[in-house]
Amino acid sequence: AQSVTQLDSQVPVFEEAPVELRCNYSSSVSVYLFWYVQYPNQGLQLLLKYLSGSTLVKGINGFEAEFNKSQTSFHLRKPSVHISDTAEYFCAVAKEYGNKLVFGAGTILRVKS
Amino acid sequence: DTEVTQTPKHLVMGMTNKKSLKCEQHMGHRAMYWYKQKAKKPPELMFVYSYEKLSINESVPSRFSPECPNSSLLNLHLHALQPEDSALYLCASSQEPNSPLHFGNGTRLTVT
Repeated sequence: AQSVTQLDSQVPVFEEAPVELRCNYSSSVSVYLFWYVQYPNQGLQLLLKYLSGSTLVKGINGFEAEFNKSQTSFHLRKPSVHISDTAEYFCAVAKEYGNKLVFGAGTILRVKS
Repeated sequence: DTEVTQTPKHLVMGMTNKKSLKCEQHMGHRAMYWYKQKAKKPPELMFVYSYEKLSINESVPSRFSPECPNSSLLNLHLHALQPEDSALYLCASSQEPNSPLHFGNGTRLTVT
């Protein structure tokens, strides 16, 4: 079975600073990897996805993530954050030939001015 | 704006009530999902419908009953819920099973 570990429950960062949100996964089969963002009192919005191909994936709002198969990681990065990036971020994994998405526990990104 | 619409946004119900949550998408997606999200927790999968047929039931108690009347609609019928069932219920859809999910904004359910 797949599982996802988000290593930080909260990440405080100052505005315009870079940020990295860490995600590690475990799976015995090939997987699809996703990052979702959830703003307060809203549903989840897809930031980016890795299905195959290039290991550097660019998403919306200036975010990018790098798939590292040897380290089983899919860390999310942004070179310069804004106050509006304050939200909860979920890493998720899906089995290649299944449709069961498993989420990590989430990381709350708090951007301070 | 989300392309997956969930109604109502908020629902308060007693333990003896029967109510339904509704989800609608018009993107032509063929897979639809119900997730439950407790406070400060990640979403947990409840049900998956693929091509209007129930394909996954994550051992959800029978007081939750899903229904997919057509490819655009997904309902979740609620009966005899417990206070611990209070949560945000999220609907999602995807073009095909295993495609990225598009989520609605959820229904915040409180069981009294």
